[in-house]
Amino acid sequence: ETGVTQSPTHLIKTRGQQVTLRCSSQSGHNTVSWYQQALGQGPQFIFQYYREEENGRGNFPPRFSGLQFPNYSSELNVNALELDDSALYLCASSLKTGVSEKLFFGSGTQLSVL
Amino acid sequence: AQKITQTQPGMFVQEKEAVTLDCTYDTSDQSYGLFWYKQPSSGEMIFLIYQGSYDEQNATEGRYSLNFQKARKSANLVISASQLGDSAMYFCAMREGEGGAQKLVFGQGTRLTINP
Repeated sequence: ETGVTQSPTHLIKTRGQQVTLRCSSQSGHNTVSWYQQALGQGPQFIFQYYREEENGRGNFPPRFSGLQFPNYSSELNVNALELDDSALYLCASSLKTGVSEKLFFGSGTQLSVL
Repeated sequence: AQKITQTQPGMFVQEKEAVTLDCTYDTSDQSYGLFWYKQPSSGEMIFLIYQGSYDEQNATEGRYSLNFQKARKSANLVISASQLGDSAMYFCAMREGEGGAQKLVFGQGTRLTINP
């Protein structure tokens, strides 16, 4: 039990639609990261938010965007969904940034794009 | 270039045996951290163990230990006395540097199956 919860657990969308995934971090954790995990692959970093500001992004297009709120919740928004966006989306929180900080992950949202 | 390489797609081990999961990494940073995570079928990534690049001793956490060989850039996970509940995907990951976004770079994973 990591204290990080994600909703919904499963989602089915069609190509071109927009989706919002939600995450509730551990209380006190001011850093949240989002990862995309395609089937059979390791997770890939999408972006990170620190104190409600984006402070790093991986190799993902601008149609992937996020928000972090003061109540330790956050959102991942994906516009103009493509078939390749089908994946498990993982949210992870930590107390602060730093090379030794371990991330606490949620169980993910499984997104299927048809 | 692949930053984290896990060469074993699958491993099959008898219950109570020890198992070593391989991980090699590539970085030019002096400061970095290495992590192992376990991912059961539920999807949640569970932190197992951490090794810092400046740590002189190998990390241990209960039945988990990390065989850190800096010159060879390897960070193998050793699980002693394996249990049926250890069956899962295992990911090696690295975080580089101290500033900016502290992203984790993951390997492809190893699927470990413990046989009774």
